[in-house]
Amino acid sequence: SQQGEEDPQALSIQEGENATMNCSYKTSINNLQWYRQNSGRGLVHLILIRSNEREKHSGRLRVTLDTSKKSSSLLITASRAADTASYFCATDAGYGGSQGNLIFGKGTKLSVKP
Amino acid sequence: DVKVTQSSRYLVKRTGEKVFLECVQDMDHENMFWYRQDPGLGLRLIYFSYDVKMKEKGDIPEGYSVSREKKERFSLILESASTNQTSMYLCASSWRTEYNEQFFGPGTRLTVL
Repeated sequence: SQQGEEDPQALSIQEGENATMNCSYKTSINNLQWYRQNSGRGLVHLILIRSNEREKHSGRLRVTLDTSKKSSSLLITASRAADTASYFCATDAGYGGSQGNLIFGKGTKLSVKP
Repeated sequence: DVKVTQSSRYLVKRTGEKVFLECVQDMDHENMFWYRQDPGLGLRLIYFSYDVKMKEKGDIPEGYSVSREKKERFSLILESASTNQTSMYLCASSWRTEYNEQFFGPGTRLTVL
């Protein structure tokens, strides 16, 4: 069952530009997380934002959450070629949350050209 | 550093073979998960376990089984591999808390011929 849907599916930018990816979801959540996946590898956790938070920063990453619109955005500032990867949002299942189930979107493929 | 390891990075098997994929984590996590990832379909949960000997079906459990005899180890079993099980398999683990992050292994790319 799909919960988060990322937009756009693919994004190509030049090094130094900012990259913005969006995620929409359907049901109420406890938290929303963003992950990164380099080609052919496992996912790496980037940032978690709780349902009562509106914005969070971590280095060059900025995440916003709008629970009224059921949407989140991930902004990567001053992008680098090494940021080239797929980015996934994930929401907790909203039930049995203590068990830690997450539902992942299909991802945004970011390409940063040097 | 949390480490999640998977037994193989690449695996090629024949239709009908029994396939074992093993996952080991070293952080004493309660939760362990098996996903498969296919182009255009994202990550889909096959099975998860929140304790030793406990297992719960995910979204696509058909054709798979799991085993968790020890807390650090979670095995995915394909009883009789089929070509439509060719995929990338990802294992993950996490603490059993409300605000958890999942730690992923490097993945196993399985090809069934």
